[in-house]
Amino acid sequence: DIHMTQSPSTLSASVGDRVTITCRASQDISSWLAWYQQKPGKAPKLLIYKASTLQTGVPSRFSGGGSGTEFTLTISSLQPDDFATYYCQQYTTYVITFGQGTRLEIK
Amino acid sequence: EVQLVESGGDLIQPGGSLTLSCAASGFTFDDFAMHWVRQGPGKGLEWVSGISWNSGSIGYADSVKGRFTISRDNVKESVYLQMNNLRPEDTALYYCARGNAVVVAYYIDFWGQGTLVTVSS
Repeated sequence: DIHMTQSPSTLSASVGDRVTITCRASQDISSWLAWYQQKPGKAPKLLIYKASTLQTGVPSRFSGGGSGTEFTLTISSLQPDDFATYYCQQYTTYVITFGQGTRLEIK
Repeated sequence: EVQLVESGGDLIQPGGSLTLSCAASGFTFDDFAMHWVRQGPGKGLEWVSGISWNSGSIGYADSVKGRFTISRDNVKESVYLQMNNLRPEDTALYYCARGNAVVVAYYIDFWGQGTLVTVSS
């Protein structure tokens, strides 16, 4: 199975900061990568698919990049609503895998 | 409006069996693959299993292969997860989720609110 590794595991930042989360795949997954946001007690929410396509309704301060084995999720200017946990997910095979998550907390 | 409503979660002893159900509405059910994703207490998301639109393609995480069985009923617009030989490490909130394609290998675009399974003696 394809293993996904996110870094960092925890990120402390302030409102207005630009932050980047990295996701690495154990093998080439082309652009078959999605990003999700999860807040405590809530189901995850799709942010980005196919590495860089923004889901409808997601603010444009979110962006995704990368291909192959290295990917990024960038938030250009952090808003109070963005403090949450973020997960990447590969979907190149019929065995899907998630990264371990990155908790974005207020500094 | 897309809705996924899970049910069947319970407190169960190790070695026991349980079947989860997910009732879907608000979309053409047999146009989409369906998935189960779980989240242990204080832990991250773990994909458990996925099933294609016609049940022709099914995938399982290694951690549940041979113990869990996913199935769907397109007439009843429901997906199921039969769980056998349950272990304490299966304790989690189990989410039903919709894949954005007929095939399993695609991203998930909608999630239910989850049903809690606790495996403990």
